[in-house]
Amino acid sequence: VQLVESGGGLVQPGKSLKLSCSASGFTFSSYGMHWIRQAPGKGLDWVAYISSSSGTVYADAVKGRFTISRDNAKNTLYLQLNSLKSEDTAIYYCARTYQTRGGFDYWGQGVMVTVSS
Amino acid sequence: DVVMTQTPPSLSVAIGQSVSISCKSSQSLVYSDGKTYLHWLLQSPGRSPKRLIYQVSNLGSGVPDRFSGTGSQKDFTLKISRVEAEDLGVYYCAQTTHFPFTFGSGTKLEIK
Repeated sequence: VQLVESGGGLVQPGKSLKLSCSASGFTFSSYGMHWIRQAPGKGLDWVAYISSSSGTVYADAVKGRFTISRDNAKNTLYLQLNSLKSEDTAIYYCARTYQTRGGFDYWGQGVMVTVSS
Repeated sequence: DVVMTQTPPSLSVAIGQSVSISCKSSQSLVYSDGKTYLHWLLQSPGRSPKRLIYQVSNLGSGVPDRFSGTGSQKDFTLKISRVEAEDLGVYYCAQTTHFPFTFGSGTKLEIK
């Protein structure tokens, strides 16, 4: 199992960014996926979940601004980040789950998003 | 939201000793299917988190049996027997019973 995030970088407040998580080593379409973030020097903060059938759930802090999606043909998970705020600055991890409430069994290496003017 | 309270915030332990970390939730973590979705993760320095234990007491793939998890309802414990140098890092509990999913604030394990 391998999960590789990309797309991070420095972005101004109010702007947008799209993160990708490329999956390999398993049948991507059969698993739910999460995005979890970690602000510098802080703990873990769950962001969003997408089921194998593309049902979605979001944390209140990102609802209406972030969109989680998946392309099973490309074995790729996405997170569209809009209307970014300084408090969205964090390492963003994608993680796999074997069922909706199964936890986080594999994690990517993470990608840094910095929101600053 | 379910608040996960981890104690202690940090630990310093000698190689070969045993340690326990507590995690208490503000609500019962028993889901309507009868299962309890409480998990333990380890984030080694500079690394992404790794799953240690899922559903209270089940060892993740490749996790040594020095790690064990116990507990029920709102009160959970991670025990590490015979600590090794590679065990250093930050330990997190996480609940995936109730949306939004939440994590404890972490316990930093240092080796004396």
